[in-house]
Amino acid sequence: DQQVKQNSPSLSVQEGRISILNCDYTNSMFDYFLWYKKYPAEGPTFLISISSIKDKNEDGRFTVFLNKSAKHLSLHIVPSQPGDSAVYFCAASASRGNEKLTFGTGTRLTIIP
Amino acid sequence: ETGVTQSPTHLIKTRGQQVTLRCSSQSGHNTVSWYQQALGQGPQFIFQYYREEENGRGNFPPRFSGLQFPNYSSELNVNALELDDSALYLCASSPGGFADTQYFGPGTRLTVL
Repeated sequence: DQQVKQNSPSLSVQEGRISILNCDYTNSMFDYFLWYKKYPAEGPTFLISISSIKDKNEDGRFTVFLNKSAKHLSLHIVPSQPGDSAVYFCAASASRGNEKLTFGTGTRLTIIP
Repeated sequence: ETGVTQSPTHLIKTRGQQVTLRCSSQSGHNTVSWYQQALGQGPQFIFQYYREEENGRGNFPPRFSGLQFPNYSSELNVNALELDDSALYLCASSPGGFADTQYFGPGTRLTVL
C-alpha cells in the first residue's frame, strides 16, 4: 500500500527553466510534508517542508505547493541549475513533531545544460 | 557533511546469516531512526530510538532489532537474513522533536546472496 506516490520516475529539464516535481498521498492523517534531495552515495538531505495549514512555502529557488483537498503537492525549482540533478523524494508525516516519515519512490531529475 | 556516519559502506552476506550495521550521530542527537531503501523504492521506516528506548516501529518483523548507546551511536541488527533484505540501510539522527531536523547518513549497502 503506497501511501505516498511519485508517479514520474524521471524528469529532464533544460537549465534555466522550471522543474516541477509532483507527489500524491492517500493517508488523510498526514499533516506535514517534506522534500528531500539525494545524490549518489549520499543520504537524503532535507530541502523544504510544508504544514497542512499552508498551501505554499518558498525558500529561494524552491517552492512547495500543497493542495490538501486533492491530496497533492508539488515542488517547483526555478531557475533549474545543473547542480539540481539528483533524486528527489517526497515524504509525509503525521505532524512536524513526528519524525517517522513515509517516503515516495522518488523522481530522478536531470538538468540539461 | 551531515555529521552522521555509517559503517560499513558495503556488506555482502549469505541467506540465514546475521548482520550488524552501525551509525554514529552528532553529539546531542537523542533520536535515531533507521530506514530500509530497496532498489527503486523510497526509504521505509524500520524503527526509531529515543534516549536508548525504542520509540516507534514500522512494518518490519522482530528479526530487525536495534540498540542506541549513550555516546550517540546506534546499531541495526538483522537476524536470519533473507534475499529481500538486500537494500540500502539509512540512519537518520536528530536532536529530537521535529521531522525536518533529521540528518541522514550515507547508508550501508547490504547484499544478501
